[in-house]
Amino acid sequence: DSGVTQTPKHLITATGQRVTLRCSPRSGDLSVYWYQQSLDQGLQFLIQYYNGEERAKGNILERFSAQQFPDLHSELNLSSLELGDSALYFCASSVGPDPYEQYFGPGTRLTVT
Amino acid sequence: SQQGEEDPQALSIQEGENATMNCSYKTSINNLQWYRQNSGRGLVHLILIRSNEREKHSGRLRVTLDTSKKSSSLLITASRAADTASYFCATDAKLVFGQGTRLTINP
Repeated sequence: DSGVTQTPKHLITATGQRVTLRCSPRSGDLSVYWYQQSLDQGLQFLIQYYNGEERAKGNILERFSAQQFPDLHSELNLSSLELGDSALYFCASSVGPDPYEQYFGPGTRLTVT
Repeated sequence: SQQGEEDPQALSIQEGENATMNCSYKTSINNLQWYRQNSGRGLVHLILIRSNEREKHSGRLRVTLDTSKKSSSLLITASRAADTASYFCATDAKLVFGQGTRLTINP
């Protein structure tokens, strides 16, 4: 158990819909990272927040957005969903602003039908 | 292209044998990390090696780093069925993971 929690575990929704994925980092960790893993694209970094502020941005689509709240939990919002958004979405956390050692959550499996 | 690229893409060996996988990267780094992912699960941090280190050990894991060649290798000795997983490298320079090496240990 990494100490990182993600909800929900599974999500099935239709194209065009909007969903919110939630992540709680390990106690004491200030950074949260979001990743998307699909079979054909591998593990793609989406975005990082550190202590409430956006710190790094990866291949995150404009239809996706995220935020980190004062209690350090984070939410990833995915809108206008497409079939290709079906994937595993992982959240990870680390103590500081640099990704020296990340702790990954169990992931949310999103299926868009 | 990816900052961390693992090679080979897949590796299948017999239990008890050693497994070696490689990672190449493109820019200067402060450290390089190896992670393991069991099917459908989150990644687990295995080991971090800093740019001023050439070799590091952790249990049955041995990691080497060659900054002149921008490459690293992960050696798993005396493999076990439980080592079956995908292995990824990542650097601090960019939050990019490669496609990983899928390691299968056959009993």
